[in-house]
Amino acid sequence: GNSVTQMEGPVTLSEEAFLTINCTYTATGYPSLFWYVQYPGEGLQLLLKATKADDKGSNKGFEATYRKETTSFHLEKGSVQVSDSAVYFCALILLSNDYKLSFGAGTTVTVRA
Amino acid sequence: DVKVTQSSRYLVKRTGEKVFLECVQDMDHENMFWYRQDPGLGLRLIYFSYDVKMKEKGDIPEGYSVSREKKERFSLILESASTNQTSMYLCASSLGTGAQETQYFGPGTRLLVL
Repeated sequence: GNSVTQMEGPVTLSEEAFLTINCTYTATGYPSLFWYVQYPGEGLQLLLKATKADDKGSNKGFEATYRKETTSFHLEKGSVQVSDSAVYFCALILLSNDYKLSFGAGTTVTVRA
Repeated sequence: DVKVTQSSRYLVKRTGEKVFLECVQDMDHENMFWYRQDPGLGLRLIYFSYDVKMKEKGDIPEGYSVSREKKERFSLILESASTNQTSMYLCASSLGTGAQETQYFGPGTRLLVL
């Protein structure tokens, strides 16, 4: 079946550190891939997405590249801030699954000043 | 901006009670979704709806039902709440279906069943 695997957290970083959150997927077909972010006390919001192989999604200094050969969509940011503290979810959507989102377990990131 | 609102942020209920969770979106979206969020499990889809009066089971529909009488409103119903339904419940909506559709989420309702 279709599934998303994220690196386990929690992740704790200092401000201006480099952040990577690994995400790999298993899918029967060619999914679209998403990163959603959940700030404390809020619902999820879309951070970035990529709909085909080699696409790069980017937003708010975050980037992720759709790698079909490694079935991965790792999230990166070069210099994190305290305001980036949140839970990050990798997700996929697939025609064969009626376009329903499948989420990873989430990675909690805490950035310390 | 798309706005998805949920009727309660926090709710405490007793085992066996009937529980209603309400969700409203203000952008005339066709699709609405109910998820539950549990630590280590991410989000799991309970039910979704592509149109008024239409509903489809998600991955974990047992113990839940839904109602969509109006386009903007999607209700999740726990017919007889149980302690294993203690969770964070998130509602979402999207304009259409497809590989590029973004889902917009509400702030969540944290339900505690005693």
